[in-house]
Amino acid sequence: DVKVTQSSRYLVKRTGEKVFLECVQDMDHENMFWYRQDPGLGLRLIYFSYDVKMKEKGDIPEGYSVSREKKERFSLILESASTNQTSMYLCASSRAQETQYFGPGTRLLVL
Amino acid sequence: SQQGEEDPQALSIQEGENATMNCSYKTSINNLQWYRQNSGRGLVHLILIRSNEREKHSGRLRVTLDTSKKSSSLLITASRAADTASYFCATIEVGTYKYIFGTGTRLKVLA
Repeated sequence: DVKVTQSSRYLVKRTGEKVFLECVQDMDHENMFWYRQDPGLGLRLIYFSYDVKMKEKGDIPEGYSVSREKKERFSLILESASTNQTSMYLCASSRAQETQYFGPGTRLLVL
Repeated sequence: SQQGEEDPQALSIQEGENATMNCSYKTSINNLQWYRQNSGRGLVHLILIRSNEREKHSGRLRVTLDTSKKSSSLLITASRAADTASYFCATIEVGTYKYIFGTGTRLKVLA
């Protein structure tokens, strides 16, 4: 059974903290994605990666960075967390332009 | 409207009735995908329909695609309370890796 895991289901951080969200997939997919989901705004793409060490900005990359050192792992980094980054963060992976497989999500609260 | 916009935004029906959701998009696509999201969870892939297909079935799901109108519909037949969820369509513009999701249809099936 395919699997995408995210390091935390719930996370509470303080403004200014550096936050790491980890995502791991076991399907040998080339593509990995980070989205944030907010009520009324749907899913918005933050960053995606189509290969190890490769990354592309999505629609809302400001305030975020990513790292993909290994094929199975894609990390999202909030360099200095702010309250407007309180959101649900979803990681996904896919092969080419096929089905995306999502992790369970991380609900982040920044105080 | 945004790429992959679903209609209606919310739908409430009785168990046993059929539910129809629509999706419109703007660009040329390779395929269109439908996903379901239970409250507070990640998205789960339901069905993928390719641009050269007009209709596809999977269990109680029927998806149609009209590329001339840039629209798709998802029909859930004989709905159950367990179908209560948000449903999203996603498209990928030809030549890109970027999936674009709409804001979703919230379906409530009353027992």
